[in-house]
Amino acid sequence: AQSVTQLDSQVPVFEEAPVELRCNYSSSVSVYLFWYVQYPNQGLQLLLKYLSGSTLVKGINGFEAEFNKSQTSFHLRKPSVHISDTAEYFCAVSLMEYGNKLVFGAGTILRVKS
Amino acid sequence: DGGITQSPKYLFRKEGQNVTLSCEQNLNHDAMYWYRQDPGQGLRLIYYSQIVNDFQKGDIAEGYSVSREKKESFPLTVTSAQKNPTAFYLCASSPINQPQHFGDGTRLSIL
Repeated sequence: AQSVTQLDSQVPVFEEAPVELRCNYSSSVSVYLFWYVQYPNQGLQLLLKYLSGSTLVKGINGFEAEFNKSQTSFHLRKPSVHISDTAEYFCAVSLMEYGNKLVFGAGTILRVKS
Repeated sequence: DGGITQSPKYLFRKEGQNVTLSCEQNLNHDAMYWYRQDPGQGLRLIYYSQIVNDFQKGDIAEGYSVSREKKESFPLTVTSAQKNPTAFYLCASSPINQPQHFGDGTRLSIL
């Protein structure tokens, strides 16, 4: 079975500091990888995705992620965060052979402090 | 504007009642999904449908039912058999093999 582990439930960081949100997955087959962001009482918005090709993926709002197949990781990074980045972030995998049925991690709450 | 509309935003259920959550999309997406979100557990798939008149159980389908009579609509019924229905419910849609787009959710509470 596939699973996604987000290693930190909460990450506090000061404004303008860099941040990394960690995500590891397990799967015996090839996967697609996604990061979504959720603001309070809203749905999820796609930040970025890895389908194939370059392992460094750039997304919206200055975020990027790197796919590392040997370490089965897909960590999300931003070089300088803003107060408005405060939200919950979800890593997800989709099995290529099952279309895009998603398996989500438990989420990481990013708290940006001034 | 194209998008996914979930209604109502807040819903209250009495013990023993069935309630139906609405999800409508005008994106012309083939696939639609229902997720349940609980604090600290991420999202868990309840049901999904890749084509009209067909749907499959997800990981936590017990106590829920769905229908897909029209491409744009995928209502979810939370039945009285679901003993712990309090949660945030999210509907999503996508073209096949493309990223999912999400609605703004319905928060269900028990009176």
